[in-house]
Amino acid sequence: EVQLVESGGGLVQPGGSLRLSCTASGFTLSYYNMYWVRQVPGKGLEWIAYISSSSTTIFHADSVKGRFTVSRDNAKSSLYLQLNGLRAEDTAMYYCARDYRSSSGRAIDYWGQGTLVTVSS
Amino acid sequence: EIVMTQSPATLSVSPGERATLSCRASQSIRNNLAWYQQKPGQAPRLLIYGAFTRASGIPARFSGSGSGTDFNLTISSLQSEDFAVYYCQQYNTWPPITFGPGTKVHI
Repeated sequence: EVQLVESGGGLVQPGGSLRLSCTASGFTLSYYNMYWVRQVPGKGLEWIAYISSSSTTIFHADSVKGRFTVSRDNAKSSLYLQLNGLRAEDTAMYYCARDYRSSSGRAIDYWGQGTLVTVSS
Repeated sequence: EIVMTQSPATLSVSPGERATLSCRASQSIRNNLAWYQQKPGQAPRLLIYGAFTRASGIPARFSGSGSGTDFNLTISSLQSEDFAVYYCQQYNTWPPITFGPGTKVHI
């Protein structure tokens, strides 16, 4: 069974840092590109980062560029998101998610349950 | 950046009724569109990709249609477990991947 389990969220002061982790099981992480997507409570979904299977291609959303950094360790079946310079507007549930590709199309086929980041003094 | 819009924002329906949700892209995305369902307290769940291909395990009452800029998700006969928020997402031109604001389907 495919599972993605996020951890590392919590309460942090503005300007602070956190490192989110996502542990994958039930599949070989090194075969898949991965995403981080966040969701402000009660609001919609916002893509924030993408990392290819071998880390050769990395994208960050403009809203987090220069502050957040995605990385991965395939040997540890883990995905990471380093959050620096946190702001109140970064308060959200953070999901790691798996990229799915087929001849019929592309999508995000598995999502973790999320880890909540709260930025507040 | 491709902007996704969804209508209506909320949809009130009864079990057994048909529901049609709309999604529009600010420019053509061909058929590079996915639909997700999200229930309270849960992560999103993939329903449809490639505009009309059902994901594994998704019931046949869910169907997707459209191409270019206009897309629909149809639930042919709503079940109680279908009351949720539905998001569309484009992956034709990215980064950024963009999602619509969602349609809440409720009784």
